[in-house]
Amino acid sequence: DTEVTQTPKHLVMGMTNKKSLKCEQHMGHRAMYWYKQKAKKPPELMFVYSYEKLSINESVPSRFSPECPNSSLLNLHLHALQPEDSALYLCASSQDTRTSFYNSPLHFGNGTRLTVT
Amino acid sequence: AQSVTQLGSHVSVSEGALVLLRCNYSSSVPPYLFWYVQYPNQGLQLLLKYTSAATLVKGINGFEAEFKKSETSFHLTKPSAHMSDAAEYFCAVLSGGYQKVTFGTGTKLQVIP
Repeated sequence: DTEVTQTPKHLVMGMTNKKSLKCEQHMGHRAMYWYKQKAKKPPELMFVYSYEKLSINESVPSRFSPECPNSSLLNLHLHALQPEDSALYLCASSQDTRTSFYNSPLHFGNGTRLTVT
Repeated sequence: AQSVTQLGSHVSVSEGALVLLRCNYSSSVPPYLFWYVQYPNQGLQLLLKYTSAATLVKGINGFEAEFKKSETSFHLTKPSAHMSDAAEYFCAVLSGGYQKVTFGTGTKLQVIP
């Protein structure tokens, strides 16, 4: 069982919808990540939060809006998506210092498979 | 930024045979390297990591990898493949800071009974 829980597992949405992806971890990690994985491709980093503050934004379009309400939760708000945004969205968490990260790197959830119609 | 290259998008081995998945890194300084495995419809799971403590790294599920600076390689091996090893394997490197992990293109391992 994964220690990072993502909901929902599957999501189908139209291009005018607003939806949210949720991620939760209870490992005491203070860094949380969103990755996007297209079919047959590697995961690509989207956002990183450290201590509930956005620390990395990989030039992601504004139709993706991350939120970290507390140290255990990470959301990804979706609005006006395009069909090409269909992908597996992976959440991950880690310790937030260099040394502790090396000891225990990224822990991934099982992802939300998003289909935009 | 540092990167990794995985040679072979698909590898097929017979059950019980040696598994060898190739990864080369591009770095002039010792990198921090990882191997992750992804089973169908799941997230990624860490197999092992190289953080310069030892060149031969043992991971979970009987996998190991050897860091070879002269060849800029970090190949993943397992002496005897099992059906349950069928999955996608990603080599990864820290690039641009300890929170930025960049993944290789992946190698899909097929195990033939």
